[in-house]
Amino acid sequence: GAVVSQHPSWVICKSGTSVKIECRSLDFQATTMFWYRQFPKQSLMLMATSNEGSKATYEQGVEKDKFLINHASLTLSTLTVTSAHPEDSSFYICSARLAGGWDTGELFFGEGSRLTVL
Amino acid sequence: AQSVTQLGSHVSVSEGALVLLRCNYSSSVPPYLFWYVQYPNQGLQLLLKYTSAATLVKGINDFEAEFKKSETSFHLTKPSAHMSDAAEYFCAVSDTKDGNNRLAFGKGNQVVVIP
Repeated sequence: GAVVSQHPSWVICKSGTSVKIECRSLDFQATTMFWYRQFPKQSLMLMATSNEGSKATYEQGVEKDKFLINHASLTLSTLTVTSAHPEDSSFYICSARLAGGWDTGELFFGEGSRLTVL
Repeated sequence: AQSVTQLGSHVSVSEGALVLLRCNYSSSVPPYLFWYVQYPNQGLQLLLKYTSAATLVKGINDFEAEFKKSETSFHLTKPSAHMSDAAEYFCAVSDTKDGNNRLAFGKGNQVVVIP
């Protein structure tokens, strides 16, 4: 149980285009999803916290107009990288927390999406 | 805010030898602690978690960790390393910011298993 799926796993795009990454909780409802960015050989950097039905909360230094997050349902959150540039190339990982119950903070992670901007 | 510290970004261990990854936490409240593993180009997979029950926690693939409040530690061990254990390992602690419950991650340990 508690499976999170991301799509696409790999995406290559031209500079200036926008890319959408989907994050789905397949067998549970997730009121809260988190989007992380990971540079090579580094830890995960939290970009934003996405709550279903409300605006995402962005971490300091993350451009909300560049990284658009939508969490329209309890099973789907999307991250759109707008007007992508080569410096946006990275590994993006989403995670979700089970809705309700005793919250220990455990997160379930998607497989990650590797974005390469040419 | 809660945080964790992992020292030594790269850890080399011989196949069959003990794996020991250190994690120290800082928390103003009783913590929930986690160890995750990440294989190349994949997301994170939970190895084990401490949620204020037994202090010695057993996880998948023969990994275990012991919560020691006096040392503010949650070190990860495995008695005998396998080649398949080569991966990145992250320690994490539950943290709350602006009313949102989230995880704070350590910098990670890259484990290399030497045949």
